[in-house]
Amino acid sequence: GAGVSQSPSNKVTEKGKDVELRCDPISGHTALYWYRQSLGQGLEFLIYFQGNSAPDKSGLPSDRFSAERTGGSVSTLTIQRTQQEDSAVYLCASSLGRVEAFFGQGTRLTVV
Amino acid sequence: GENVEQHPSTLSVQEGDSAVIKCTYSDSASNYFPWYKQELGKGPQLIIDIRSNVGEKKDQRIAVTLNKTAKHFSLHITETQPEDSAVYFCAAPKGGFSGGYNKLIFGAGTRLAVHP
Repeated sequence: GAGVSQSPSNKVTEKGKDVELRCDPISGHTALYWYRQSLGQGLEFLIYFQGNSAPDKSGLPSDRFSAERTGGSVSTLTIQRTQQEDSAVYLCASSLGRVEAFFGQGTRLTVV
Repeated sequence: GENVEQHPSTLSVQEGDSAVIKCTYSDSASNYFPWYKQELGKGPQLIIDIRSNVGEKKDQRIAVTLNKTAKHFSLHITETQPEDSAVYFCAAPKGGFSGGYNKLIFGAGTRLAVHP
């Protein structure tokens, strides 16, 4: 596609439920990143993929968070047993092995 | 690890004035410094970047300067317009950029308001 696509754009979930956030990177981009942006805050690194492997998961806040990438393309970020502090905008970015990272519009997650 | 500090957190200017946003970083291996603009409800958009082998880069009304010795870099916007109003983020890669891996550490952001 023309840009990084994320779905859903908004998600409201009840505390304790699991959620899946999807990212479609720019076609051909080998690197994919997930970031989290809390209200009024900067961007917090979560995880990085090169192809289907994740050499850096150091930013995942807890074991409730996991991510996978299949076919070197689509990635899914899963949050299990959601908590209110998980409420944030989750941003995905992709890169073609170069420095420039291009972001999607994000998924706004609200845990009630 | 890399720490990126950004200031000011908010900046208000009159249309036509210049705006300057400054960032400092801690990792001397950092070698790539992008700036992103984030409008309300949208993802960050790369607007300009600079690599460590140059001290300044310009693109129309925006410019970025880099001082590697002092470990700081700045975004300069001249002749500001209302559409420049947004949140701006600086970033630096932890440990430098190599082989396609670009773990960017972001500053906390600057909310720029340009008043007509």
